Amino acid sequence: DTGVSQDPRHKITKRGQNVTFRCDPISEHNRLYWYRQTLGQGPEFLTYFQNEAQLEKSRLLSDRFSAERPKGSFSTLEIQRTEQGDSAMYLCASSSPRQKSTDTQYFGPGTRLTVL
Amino acid sequence: AQSVTQLDSQVPVFEEAPVELRCNYSSSVSVYLFWYVQYPNQGLQLLLKYLSGSTLVKGINGFEAEFNKSQTSFHLRKPSVHISDTAEYFCAVKTDRGSTLGRLYFGRGTQLTVWP
Repeated sequence: DTGVSQDPRHKITKRGQNVTFRCDPISEHNRLYWYRQTLGQGPEFLTYFQNEAQLEKSRLLSDRFSAERPKGSFSTLEIQRTEQGDSAMYLCASSSPRQKSTDTQYFGPGTRLTVL
Repeated sequence: AQSVTQLDSQVPVFEEAPVELRCNYSSSVSVYLFWYVQYPNQGLQLLLKYLSGSTLVKGINGFEAEFNKSQTSFHLRKPSVHISDTAEYFCAVKTDRGSTLGRLYFGRGTQLTVWP
């Protein structure tokens, strides 16, 4: 049973550049979530997908952020025109609800973004 | 809206001592409760969860938590800690209804440091 994987694990970029992160969920999971964690804080919800449909987006997800899950399997999170405030750990999680609302989210190792 | 308060940002203890990490939540609807652990530069690992039924929940690595609805608390306990328990611990809640079904709300975390 492979867990949630994320790529890359670390990304250093210059302000103004675009970056893209990938998340591969646990294979039978149809829900996929993105969170952002800044230093000293708990993770904050960004968005989530059920299959390929993006069902919920946080106000944290500004116009520079876009997430996709085109075939209902892996997902990508793109940040355009990065700013220093985007520096954070980006966490992906997946779940497979058998009963609505009681599904448990399993997290990947995260992608740490540093914007110089 | 839901919120989670972890009352202690840091908890230092000696090896083999008992520990309690406190978590209080606020919600106008029923919630599901979780504790996750995060080791340095890693993602979150699920320790335990409360969905319904018995208010005492046992998890991995000898941890347990008790749900107290009247006090809106979900404190994490371990009777005897090991140095390997040194990590950041996050309490999280999830609702069972409404427009924010997908997301987890996290506390700011408690850094547990176990000294020899």
